[in-house]
Amino acid sequence: AQTVTQSQPEMSVQEAETVTLSCTYDTSESDYYLFWYKQPPSRQMILVIRQEAYKQQNATENRFSVNFQKAAKSFSLKISDSQLGDAAMYFCAFILTGANSKLTFGKGITLSVRP
Amino acid sequence: DGGITQSPKYLFRKEGQNVTLSCEQNLNHDAMYWYRQDPGQGLRLIYYSQIVNDFQKGDIAEGYSVSREKKESFPLTVTSAQKNPTAFYLCASEGRGLYTEAFFGQGTRLTVV
Repeated sequence: AQTVTQSQPEMSVQEAETVTLSCTYDTSESDYYLFWYKQPPSRQMILVIRQEAYKQQNATENRFSVNFQKAAKSFSLKISDSQLGDAAMYFCAFILTGANSKLTFGKGITLSVRP
Repeated sequence: DGGITQSPKYLFRKEGQNVTLSCEQNLNHDAMYWYRQDPGQGLRLIYYSQIVNDFQKGDIAEGYSVSREKKESFPLTVTSAQKNPTAFYLCASEGRGLYTEAFFGQGTRLTVV
């Protein structure tokens, strides 16, 4: 079974600074997708960034980027120039590319941004 | 607009009553999921379905039931057997292919009194 681990329950960052959220996963498969989702106080889940395992290049979306280390099974999210609107709960998620796999989430991390 | 819709947003029920939460999607996604979220906690998988007329139990299926008679719909029934049903419930659908991604509904806050 696949597992996703987010070991830090909470983190805090100063506005305009950079923060990195950690995520590790466990699988014996080689083809999969990894995601970071954001859940703001509204509780609407929003996709932040996606990484295909076969791609060596780390995904980037504006101020958000990932450090994907396939051998280490690590998938961290870096938020640059943090803004007050980045305060939210962040979930790391994983799914195999096979037809019968299910989406698996980590426990999440609560990020606060200090003005 | 394409998307996934959960209704209602807030639901109140008396203890001992069954209640059904609605989830509809028009994204033509095969896979759909139900998650439960308790305050300050992560997402726990209740049930998921990869195809019409088939579904699998997740990690906390006891006290819940689902059906998948249509591709667009995946309703969740919270039965009286669920010991602590008050929670926030999220439905998701997942598209596969060039852009594998899960889309979420806005959630239903269920309060049992």
